[in-house]
Amino acid sequence: EVQLVESGGGLMQPGGSLRLSCAASGFTVSTNYMTWVRQAPGKGLEWVSIIYRSGTTYYADSVKGRFTISRDTSKNMLFLQMNSLRVEDTAVYYCARAQSGNWFDPWGQGALVTVSS
Amino acid sequence: IVLTQSPGTLSLSPGERATLSCRASQSVSNNYLAWYQQKPGQAPRVLISGASSRAAGIPDRFSGSGSGTDFTLTISRLEPEDFAVYYCQQYGSLWTFGQGTKVEIK
Repeated sequence: EVQLVESGGGLMQPGGSLRLSCAASGFTVSTNYMTWVRQAPGKGLEWVSIIYRSGTTYYADSVKGRFTISRDTSKNMLFLQMNSLRVEDTAVYYCARAQSGNWFDPWGQGALVTVSS
Repeated sequence: IVLTQSPGTLSLSPGERATLSCRASQSVSNNYLAWYQQKPGQAPRVLISGASSRAAGIPDRFSGSGSGTDFTLTISRLEPEDFAVYYCQQYGSLWTFGQGTKVEIK
């Protein structure tokens, strides 16, 4: 069964750092396009970052220079390193497989990140 | 590309037809547009890709149409489990989502 499970969310102070993890099963992360999408409380979906099979990465302007997407082939996992966190980064963060770099399916259950002083 | 969905909320009864609109600020290349359904406390799930192709396991009461800048998701007869929030997404130029349309029970 194809499945994604996020972990690592929590409460952080502004300016802090946090790393989200996404464990994949049923497929290989390194041979797929993988992405992060976030959803602020009561709000819509916002694309955050993507990593191609080649390793090429892209970021939304809102997180560029602060967030880094990466993967671990041996662990079949995806990561999102979030630095210089801001209150507006508060959201549920979903990892997903980007089908051929296009639409997103499947999605994980999400990890809540709260940034507050 | 900015996607604008309308209406913001659609109040309908089970069995009725739902028509959701997604308008792009510029043409979506190759009609690279997807639709997602999200229920409270759940992750989104894809319904439609390529503007009109149903994803695996999606009932045929869901259909997508449109091209260029105007796209539509139609639910032919609403079932109780269809009341949810729906998002469009373009993947022709990076990736962006619309703000969502909530389909609620009237």
